[in-house]
Amino acid sequence: GAVVSQHPSWVICKSGTSVKIECRSLDFQATTMFWYRQFPKQSLMLMATSNEGSKATYEQGVEKDKFLINHASLTLSTLTVTSAHPEDSSFYICSARDFGWTGPGGNQPQHFGDGTRLSIL
Amino acid sequence: SQQGEEDPQALSIQEGENATMNCSYKTSINNLQWYRQNSGRGLVHLILIRSNEREKHSGRLRVTLDTSKKSSSLLITASRAADTASYFCATGAKAAGNKLTFGGGTRVLVKP
Repeated sequence: GAVVSQHPSWVICKSGTSVKIECRSLDFQATTMFWYRQFPKQSLMLMATSNEGSKATYEQGVEKDKFLINHASLTLSTLTVTSAHPEDSSFYICSARDFGWTGPGGNQPQHFGDGTRLSIL
Repeated sequence: SQQGEEDPQALSIQEGENATMNCSYKTSINNLQWYRQNSGRGLVHLILIRSNEREKHSGRLRVTLDTSKKSSSLLITASRAADTASYFCATGAKAAGNKLTFGGGTRVLVKP
C-alpha cells in the first residue's frame, strides 16, 4: 500500500515552455503533499508544501510564480514549472502523507513518487 | 535548509560486509527517518525511530539514536549488491511543522 505515482518520469523541452508534473496518491488520501528538488549527487531540498484546498506554502527562496502548485483533490497535486529555463533542469520529487494515519501525530513516514527528470534545452 | 550531516559521503564495501553510516542534526526532533534512493528513482522509507527510542531493528537494518549527541547511525548487515544506493537521514520536528529535513546522504556501493 501507500503508493505515490508521479508523472511524467522524464521531460525534455525547449526553453520557455511550461511543464506540468503530477503527483497522485493511488491508495490513500493525502491532504498534504510535498515537492522537492534534487540536483545530481545532492540531497533533497524542500520547495513547497501543498495543502489540499488551500494555497501552497513555499520555502524561502522558491519563487511561487515560477513553480505553481495546485492541490485540488485529496489524491492529486500538480507542480507547473512556468517558462522553464536551463537552470530549472533538475530532478523533482513529490511525497505525500496518509490522511488516514492513526499513529502519533508527526511520526509518520512520507511516501515518495519516483521523481521527474526535467531537462530544459 | 539541510539540518543533517551524513558521514561518510560515500562508502564502498564488498558483498557480505557491514555498512555503517552516521547522521548528525542540530535541533530538537520528534523522530528521525532513514530512506534509500536508487539511482534516478524516488525515496523508499526504511525505518523511523522516535525521539524517545534508542535503537530499532528491521531485517538487516539497525538504527540507533542518541538525542544527547544529536546523532543517529544506520547499520546494514551482510550487505548485498542490491543494497547499492544512496541513503538519507531525515528529521521530523514539530517546530518545523513536521516537515522532513534531509541530510546530505551517503552513497553506498556494494561490490559483488
